[in-house]
Amino acid sequence: GENVEQHPSTLSVQEGDSAVIKCTYSDSASNYFPWYKQELGKRPQLIIDIRSNVGEKKDQRIAVTLNKTAKHFSLHITETQPEDSAVYFCAASIGGSQGNLIFGKGTKLSVKP
Amino acid sequence: NAGVMQNPRHLVRRRGQEARLRCSPMKGHSHVYWYRQLPEEGLKFMVYLQKENIIDESGMPKERFSAEFPKEGPSILRIQQVVRGDSAAYFCASSPTSDRAEAFFGQGTRLTVV
Repeated sequence: GENVEQHPSTLSVQEGDSAVIKCTYSDSASNYFPWYKQELGKRPQLIIDIRSNVGEKKDQRIAVTLNKTAKHFSLHITETQPEDSAVYFCAASIGGSQGNLIFGKGTKLSVKP
Repeated sequence: NAGVMQNPRHLVRRRGQEARLRCSPMKGHSHVYWYRQLPEEGLKFMVYLQKENIIDESGMPKERFSAEFPKEGPSILRIQQVVRGDSAAYFCASSPTSDRAEAFFGQGTRLTVV
């Protein structure tokens, strides 16, 4: 079946450094790729998303890149802060934007002050 | 707008009992999605509903699980004869359209089966 692979599963960085999380997907029809941040015991919150008609999107310290040919997309966080510590999930739509979301298994990001 | 409301936040059930999880979507949202999250895992899609209709239930286990979204009232995820493996966090999300870009998650219901 369709799946989304996410790496690394854990990531530890020093405050101020950059963090990169990578995902690959299998469904060539996927055209919507959101990223969620989930703090312990809380709901997943959408932090950024990208659609297949663009290759890159940026929002302040967060950026996402998409390579449709290679079927992978990445989250980049610059100038990390301790409050960025959380679990980050990537997801890909199945069957286009009308389809379901398949999530990666998550990356636990720890930002050390 | 109070956001997506789920209740209860925590639910403990003994094996064999029934669990009912409720999700009230954001005002103006008629699309509801249910996801299950096991410890240390990502979210797994279960079912997508619009008012009075199940649009996609491809992620629902074939037995013991059912969902509804009546014309009036919250969406209900029902698990009959719960087993320990049902212990998980159940999240619902709602959106005003079928576009996932506008989907907002509730706080989740943490089900523990003892």
